[in-house]
Amino acid sequence: QKEVEQDPGPLSVPEGAIVSLNCTYSNSAFQYFMWYRQYSRKGPELLMYTYSSGNKEDGRFTAQVDKSSKYISLFIRDSQPSDSATYLCAMSIIQGAQKLVFGQGTRLTINP
Amino acid sequence: ETGVTQTPRHLVMGMTNKKSLKCEQHLGHNAMYWYKQSAKKPLELMFVYNFKEQTENNSVPSRFSPECPNSSHLFLHLHTLQPEDSALYLCASSQDIGAFNYGYTFGSGTRLTVV
Repeated sequence: QKEVEQDPGPLSVPEGAIVSLNCTYSNSAFQYFMWYRQYSRKGPELLMYTYSSGNKEDGRFTAQVDKSSKYISLFIRDSQPSDSATYLCAMSIIQGAQKLVFGQGTRLTINP
Repeated sequence: ETGVTQTPRHLVMGMTNKKSLKCEQHLGHNAMYWYKQSAKKPLELMFVYNFKEQTENNSVPSRFSPECPNSSHLFLHLHTLQPEDSALYLCASSQDIGAFNYGYTFGSGTRLTVV
């Protein structure tokens, strides 16, 4: 079983829709959770970072962590064509690059 | 353009060739990383350098040889690669190896094709 599972998609939704992206994980020791966005022909960029459980909101983006279910989500409200990208979840037990585990990434397309 | 620059952007090489990938960051970061991104697979960490010292080699085959002459530059020397090594190779940097809250700054990658 993979440590982090993420549906690769592709996911295609109309502009203005609410998008829900998800990852599940098997290691209950994960404490640090991140979402990265990767545009075509670019490297990933950090979108959201959360520590432990709960919600974090940043503009149209909300990151949610449910440690009891080992499930994290990224919600995008009022989605825009410019949100079209691959979204990668990442998580770690401790702070340290060598322990950061990425999901496979979900390719998202927002249709005008 | 991000603060991490990778060259070349694309590289096609034969299995017997020797080539090098270059990464440069102008962010004043102390940690630099090599990642491999293959289709339908998660990002795989290859090497970590902190203050020019290698702190992690994630069981990478010896046909990949990293070099970090200073905190701003990172190289990945390639020799006798296999077709399955074809992938996007990403360089990243961060203030230090634990800087999750600020994230890593990635370059745009080198798309490598081994023929």
